[in-house]
This record gives sequence, C-alpha cells and structure tokens, in this order.
Amino acid sequence: NAGVTQTPKFQVLKTGQSMTLQCAQDMNHEYMSWYRQDPGMGLRLIHYSVGAGITDQGEVPNGYNVSRSTTEDFPLRLLSAAPSQTSVYFCASSSGYDQPQHFGDGTRLSIL
Amino acid sequence: QQPVQSPQAVILREGEDAVINCSSSKALYSVHWYRQKHGEAPVFLMILLKGGEQKGHDKISASFNEKKQQSSLYLTASQLSYSGTYFCGTGNDMRFGAGTRLTVKP
Repeated sequence: NAGVTQTPKFQVLKTGQSMTLQCAQDMNHEYMSWYRQDPGMGLRLIHYSVGAGITDQGEVPNGYNVSRSTTEDFPLRLLSAAPSQTSVYFCASSSGYDQPQHFGDGTRLSIL
Repeated sequence: QQPVQSPQAVILREGEDAVINCSSSKALYSVHWYRQKHGEAPVFLMILLKGGEQKGHDKISASFNEKKQQSSLYLTASQLSYSGTYFCGTGNDMRFGAGTRLTVKP
C-alpha cells in the first residue's frame, strides 16, 4: 500500500542546476498537486493537475514546470535552481476536490 | 486566494480546550482540516461540505458556516498528541491557510 511516493527524499543542488522531483501515486487519483513549505510557514501551491494532460498554475509557479502524461506520475522540474527555492516540497493526490488529500513524505531540497 | 487562519499559535495545558478559525473572502463549498507534526507530512483530519454540518474525530470536531465563509476546529480536552500545526484548505485547487501552531503541555 504505497500511496504517494516522492523521490528523492533529500537533495542538494548548486545555483543554476536543473532537476526533477518525482511523484507517483498508486490510488488512481485524478487530482495531484505540488506544494512548497518554507521553515515555519504554510503550504503554498506551486502547480496542480485535475487529470492526465491537464495542469494549471498555483500561487507560486515561477521557476517550476510540470507535466502529467499519466494518471500515476506528476513530476516537478526546476529549470535553473535558485537559493530562494530551498524548501520542503510535498506532492499530494486525491480523488476529487471534496476528498481527502494524501501527501507524500516530502523532498528536502537545498540550493547553494 | 488563501484562507485566513487565526490564531497563529496557541499554547495549552493538557485537558484544556481550543478553537482554531478559518475564513475566506471567496464562497466556500468545502473546508478541509489537516494536522502536521514537526518534520512530517500533513495528515487529513476531516472535510466539511456545504450545509452547515459539524463533524467529529475523536475529541476534535469542526463546524462550517458557508454563509459566513468560515469554519472552526474545536479541540476538546486536549492531549499531548494534539500538538502540531493545523491547516485549513479550501477551493478546487486546495489552497491552505498559513497554519495554527498548537502546543499542548503536561
């Protein structure tokens, strides 16, 4: 019973590098989202998807790209990492907006 | 638009009660409540749907008033395990409030 799986759990990047945070769910959920959480702060929505092939921007989309080619996977790409993107990133999925969100364990990303 | 939570932080003694509020400037059709322990992912507590319903989860309950566009989370006879940060979430795109940090002391 995996639920939402995020990889990697930890990552250190240098400014200007690019990378992809992976998120996979095995619950056949249509809704998937990416959030970032800075120390002592709330969850801010980066991008979300309501189904394969459909994505939309959240509150803080700049510097991030997403795609949703399958129901299971929703990768988040950092195009050119900046120190301001140092954060904990959570992926979440649900079967609908009025259904519980299931969160992955998070990816702790540091950008030097 | 993010919902607004209050208070930002609460410190309680075991057995005391607390109320956390969540309000929105937009019409609400549902409100989600989550709790996050330090270093962990948020965990779902409950969803309230339009209709003014009240739900319970152990000694944690919540109400939802869609006319006032607000929800309240009630923690009764608090336990040490209730410590954490509580978030409300609203909207089809699920935006969260800034959170309320609850500390329960022995």
